[in-house]
Amino acid sequence: GAGVSQSPSNKVTEKGKDVELRCDPISGHTALYWYRQSLGQGLEFLIYFQGNSAPDKSGLPSDRFSAERTGGSVSTLTIQRTQQEDSAVYLCASTVGWEQYFGPGTRLTVT
Amino acid sequence: GQNIDQPTEMTATEGAIVQINCTYQTSGFNGLFWYQQHAGEAPTFLSYNVLDGLEEKGRFSSFLSRSKGYSYLLLKELQMKDSASYLCAVSAPTGNMLTFGGGTRLMVKP
Repeated sequence: GAGVSQSPSNKVTEKGKDVELRCDPISGHTALYWYRQSLGQGLEFLIYFQGNSAPDKSGLPSDRFSAERTGGSVSTLTIQRTQQEDSAVYLCASTVGWEQYFGPGTRLTVT
Repeated sequence: GQNIDQPTEMTATEGAIVQINCTYQTSGFNGLFWYQQHAGEAPTFLSYNVLDGLEEKGRFSSFLSRSKGYSYLLLKELQMKDSASYLCAVSAPTGNMLTFGGGTRLMVKP
């Protein structure tokens, strides 16, 4: 079956612009996570959605970052006024149990 | 706080056995995961330990000691395709969000 998909696969943007990254989780998966992986660093948790509950935003690095999940399925991560330090691979994962299935990621480059 | 340590790089020979260690100090613990990540690709699940002991799955085994905050991933009969980064991660007791170590880049040589 289809896995987690993310779009775009690559995004180059100018500093100060807003970007939206999309995640389509595996159908039926109730939990969705966003992580980011900066060059040479480990994956860093950003935000977590579980069903209709309020999201856990404890990992978001600043108020320029926000995310929503519509209809319990597709999620969008928005970064406003992008900075060069936002350059990273943004990974989405979904799960219905304990194993998290990762998407291929969006590589964001802020110039 | 959360602190997960694993070696940055390791090199091993095709056909050999390699052990990748991971130590952790976390404010909560629900389980320990190992993921494999090839360059430019998404992490893929390898193993999950929630109780102390050894979990074996084919060529890959993972060990956990919760009292010592220690885990290792054992790869047997190494193949060239095993060259990848291996990520150790601890899941939180609520929400199951993962805290990752920096990853160990394994290079398998002929």
